Amino acid sequence: GAVVSQHPSRVICKSGTSVKIECRSLDFQATTMFWYRQFPKQSLMLMATSNEGSKATYEQGVEKDKFLINHASLTLSTLTVTSAHPEDSSFYICSARDRKLAERVFKNIQYFGAGTRLSVL
Amino acid sequence: GNSVTQMEGPVTLSEEAFLTINCTYTATGYPSLFWYVQYPGEGLQLLLKATKADDKGSNKGFEATYRKETTSFHLEKGSVQVSDSAVYFCALTPYGGATNKLIFGTGTLLAVQP
Repeated sequence: GAVVSQHPSRVICKSGTSVKIECRSLDFQATTMFWYRQFPKQSLMLMATSNEGSKATYEQGVEKDKFLINHASLTLSTLTVTSAHPEDSSFYICSARDRKLAERVFKNIQYFGAGTRLSVL
Repeated sequence: GNSVTQMEGPVTLSEEAFLTINCTYTATGYPSLFWYVQYPGEGLQLLLKATKADDKGSNKGFEATYRKETTSFHLEKGSVQVSDSAVYFCALTPYGGATNKLIFGTGTLLAVQP
């Protein structure tokens, strides 16, 4: 099946530093990738939709200057949390849509990475 | 707005017990409904889906039926195994088809004991 690799799985950083999280589709091409955030005992919340070669679309209330998203290739999207603060501590999950499946079959199947636990001290 | 409500966990069962994880939704029209499963250390995986009322999704012994009248999509399995221990997420995609958005419930941790 389709595999999405997310790296790192866990990161601890000091307040004020920037952290980059990578999301790679390993065996398929993904024109669209998604970034989610999950707080303890809460739902996964969609932060932004990342389209290859264009600017990401952010959900309402998500600061685009705080959460920089780059989708430079069909297999890689990155999320950079800039000047991280303790309130940014969370679980971040990416997902990707298989371009070939999206064209032919049910459009909304997403393949998920294992997530990144960010702790800002 | 669109939302998903699922039962809080953890749900602890003995092996071979019957499983039900409740999921109800709020949405306009006919959303598509999903169950995702996340095993420890892995990403979410699509477990099953249903795209219209009265559809039954099934996979690996799990089933869920799209009930429009009760706006529910409860997950069931007749006999759970230790290997089913995971977090289960109910989700929907709003009616319209063009949207990519998945709206998730909070997840339910299932722990199956031998």
